[in-house]
Amino acid sequence: AQSVAQPEDQVNVAEGNPLTVKCTYSVSGNPYLFWYVQYPNRGLQFLLKYITGDNLVKGSYGFEAEFNKSQTSFHLKKPSALVSDSALYFCAVGGNAGNMLTFGGGTRLMVKP
Amino acid sequence: DAGVTQSPTHLIKTRGQQVTLRCSPKSGHDTVSWYQQALGQGPQFIFQYYEEEERQRGNFPDRFSGHQFPNYSSELNVNALLLGDSALYLCASSLPRSHEQFFGPGTRLTVL
Repeated sequence: AQSVAQPEDQVNVAEGNPLTVKCTYSVSGNPYLFWYVQYPNRGLQFLLKYITGDNLVKGSYGFEAEFNKSQTSFHLKKPSALVSDSALYFCAVGGNAGNMLTFGGGTRLMVKP
Repeated sequence: DAGVTQSPTHLIKTRGQQVTLRCSPKSGHDTVSWYQQALGQGPQFIFQYYEEEERQRGNFPDRFSGHQFPNYSSELNVNALLLGDSALYLCASSLPRSHEQFFGPGTRLTVL
């Protein structure tokens, strides 16, 4: 079985400050890790993925994530937050290509001016 | 290039009724997955279709069924609706060996 935990329901950060949204996972074998963002009344938009290779993954809109195998974590980061980054963020794990994704419960990011 | 499209956008049904939701995958994609997202929760995997067959299924009852057509579009059917089936239903498409799934805007189902 695979699972994802997002320990923070909400993260508050001031515009221009760095942000981190936490994610830990559990999966058998090699993990395939993803971050998605959801705006109100919208579907999920892909931000970035880790399949293999460098532990630091760069994605859309200036976001990046760091894969840490020993801590089974895949935290989402951005050096300088924007008010427009305010949204719901989901971490997901897949066990094999094309198979089901298991999502965390989501973290609401609030960026204040 | 159109992305993943879903219809209808919103739907209101009463308990016991049946509903059909539709999804057209992104151009070039032949694998379709369905997810249920209850209010305030993350999406949960329902099932995945490839080559018109159900390839994998999550922990959902048999009331949830699906179909994939030769043009790769897909339907999700839910019978004997319960109040707890109220949710946003998301369709995602992918290539068979890709790890990346592209999501549609979803169908908001309300069961009264």
